[in-house]
Amino acid sequence: AQKITQTQPGMFVQEKEAVTLDCTYDTSDQSYGLFWYKQPSSGEMIFLIYQGSYDEQNATEGRYSLNFQKARKSANLVISASQLGDSAMYFCAMREASTGYQKVTFGTGTKLQVIP
Amino acid sequence: SQTIHQWPATLVQPVGSPLSLECTVEGTSNPNLYWYRQAAGRGLQLLFYSVGIGQISSEVPQNLSASRPQDRQFILSSKKLLLSDSGFYLCAWSVGLHEKLFFGSGTQLSVL
Repeated sequence: AQKITQTQPGMFVQEKEAVTLDCTYDTSDQSYGLFWYKQPSSGEMIFLIYQGSYDEQNATEGRYSLNFQKARKSANLVISASQLGDSAMYFCAMREASTGYQKVTFGTGTKLQVIP
Repeated sequence: SQTIHQWPATLVQPVGSPLSLECTVEGTSNPNLYWYRQAAGRGLQLLFYSVGIGQISSEVPQNLSASRPQDRQFILSSKKLLLSDSGFYLCAWSVGLHEKLFFGSGTQLSVL
C-alpha cells in the first residue's frame, strides 16, 4: 500500500485564487510528521510546511496552510492568493515513529499551474 | 550555516558503465543522509538512507549501492548502469527526529 497518496496529477488555478492540493497518508503509528515541498522547474526542492501528528493547530506559513484531518488521515495543502511563481510540482511526505523517524516517504506529486 | 553539495549537475553515461555520485554536507554533525531518484515527471523514490558512518539502509534492491565513508559524505554507486537508471538524483540531509529534509541541487543522469 502507498504510504502517501496524491490523487491529483495536475491542477489549474487562476491567479489570486486559492487552491487545495490533496494528500492522504497511511500509517498505524500515533507519532508521525507530515511535510510539503515545492519543486519548481529548476528541480530544487523547497520546504513549505510541517505538521506533527500531535499538533492540535493546523500549521500555517505565510500563504501556505495545512488542513490536517487526523481521523481521515489527510493533510491537504492550501495555497491562498495564488501567484504565477507558485507553478511547480508539489510533494507531500511523511516521517513515522516506527522507522525511528529516519525514513522520509514522498508521494507522487501534483503539478500546479497558475493561470494569469 | 549548513550547506549541501552534490555533483555533478548533469551526467551522460553509456549503458554498462560505472557510476559514482557524491554528496557532502557542511556545517553540521552526524546528519541523516538520503538518496532519492525522480523519474521524469514522477515522484521521489527513496533509494538509500544512512544514520551514521557505514550504516546504510536500502529501499531499492537493484544495481545501485551507497556508501558513507565519512560522517558528512554520501556516495551513490553502480558497477554497471542500466537504461532504467536514468533520472534525477537528489541527495538530502536532516538532523533530528522531526526535522525537514534539506536537498542538494540534484544530478540529472542520462543513460544511453
